[in-house]
Amino acid sequence: AQSVTQLGSHVSVSEGALVLLRCNYSSSVPPYLFWYVQYPNQGLQLLLKYTTGATLVKGINGFEAEFKKSETSFHLTKPSAHMSDAAEYFCAVTRGTSYDKVIFGPGTSLSVIP
Amino acid sequence: GAGVSQSPSNKVTEKGKDVELRCDPISGHTALYWYRQRLGQGLEFLIYFQGNSAPDKSGLPSDRFSAERTGESVSTLTIQRTQQEDSAVYLCASSFDPSTYNEQFFGPGTRLTVL
Repeated sequence: AQSVTQLGSHVSVSEGALVLLRCNYSSSVPPYLFWYVQYPNQGLQLLLKYTTGATLVKGINGFEAEFKKSETSFHLTKPSAHMSDAAEYFCAVTRGTSYDKVIFGPGTSLSVIP
Repeated sequence: GAGVSQSPSNKVTEKGKDVELRCDPISGHTALYWYRQRLGQGLEFLIYFQGNSAPDKSGLPSDRFSAERTGESVSTLTIQRTQQEDSAVYLCASSFDPSTYNEQFFGPGTRLTVL
């Protein structure tokens, strides 16, 4: 069965520092991969996605993620954290061979320290 | 509006009562999903509707939970005989064409509190 793990339920970084949020998945078939962000008191919104093609994908607000098939990873990075990046981040992967079903990871709460 | 809407935004109920949660998806979106998000936890898949196909109910935690969708529009999630462990935020999402990639658009959620 497919699963998604996010190392670290809570990550704190200083403003201006590198943001690295880890995501690993298990899947028997090449999946589609997503990162969603949930700002306080708001709904989830798509940050970026990988479907096919270039393995380094860029999303909104300066975030990017790289799909590494050999490591079954899809880590999210941003070179310089901003206070407004404080939010909950969810990694997600399509389930099985059906691209219409998605499994979400448990989430990582990002805090940015001024 | 252009986004997914949910109502009510907050619902407080007593243990044992039934509740209905409503989701209005984005017009034209064929797929609709319900998730549950307990405090401090990730999203738990509940049920999935795709067009006129039979819904995928594999995530419903018990027979107290049910959901309906009228065509490709409004969906209601019903929880009968609510329990305190049902307290959570219930999220609805819709997507346009899940056969290709599956970008889901989420509503703001309904926060359910069972006393």
